[in-house]
Amino acid sequence: GAVVSQHPSRVICKSGTSVKIECRSLDFQATTMFWYRQFPKQSLMLMATSNEGSKATYEQGVEKDKFLINHASLTLSTLTVTSAHPEDSSFYICSATLHRVGNIQYFGAGTRLSVL
Amino acid sequence: AQTVTQSQPEMSVQEAETVTLSCTYDTSESDYYLFWYKQPPSRQMILVIRQEAYKQQNATENRFSVNFQKAAKSFSLKISDSQLGDAAMYFCAYTSGQGAQKLVFGQGTRLTINP
Repeated sequence: GAVVSQHPSRVICKSGTSVKIECRSLDFQATTMFWYRQFPKQSLMLMATSNEGSKATYEQGVEKDKFLINHASLTLSTLTVTSAHPEDSSFYICSATLHRVGNIQYFGAGTRLSVL
Repeated sequence: AQTVTQSQPEMSVQEAETVTLSCTYDTSESDYYLFWYKQPPSRQMILVIRQEAYKQQNATENRFSVNFQKAAKSFSLKISDSQLGDAAMYFCAYTSGQGAQKLVFGQGTRLTINP
């Protein structure tokens, strides 16, 4: 159990376009989902915390107008990178938490975004 | 603010041997959880082990065990009988025990298994 699906796994886009990444909890209801960014050979950097039915909470330094997060249901959160530029190229990972088992976060497989 | 420090950027071990990865953290909270996550080359984050701060007993999961020293704020991971599939980045992480709080990650330790 506790499977998180993230789609797409890889996306290549042109500069100026928008890209949407989906994160789904497949076998549980996730009241909270998280979005991370990971640069090569570095740790995960939390971008935002997403709660179902409410606005996401962004970490300091993360542009909320650049990285739009929507958590429309208990099983789906989306991250839209708007007007993507090459500097947005990175590995994006989502996670979802299931409160009943002690704050464990279950992670999606990640999305590698390449902006040309 | 809570911080997590992994002082070993890289570690290596011979297959079948035992290796210990270090982690220290800083917090003023009394209710929290600590984790070790593994990130293999596929980059999928996998939960290795979890420790509740209120439990004195060290968590174990098969070949993986922790040495949780609450007073010293230390949380090391021991991998016994190392296998080639254990090669990965290992991240130590902290989260508050209050609600769905964010994970604070350490910098990671890259573990290499030598055959």
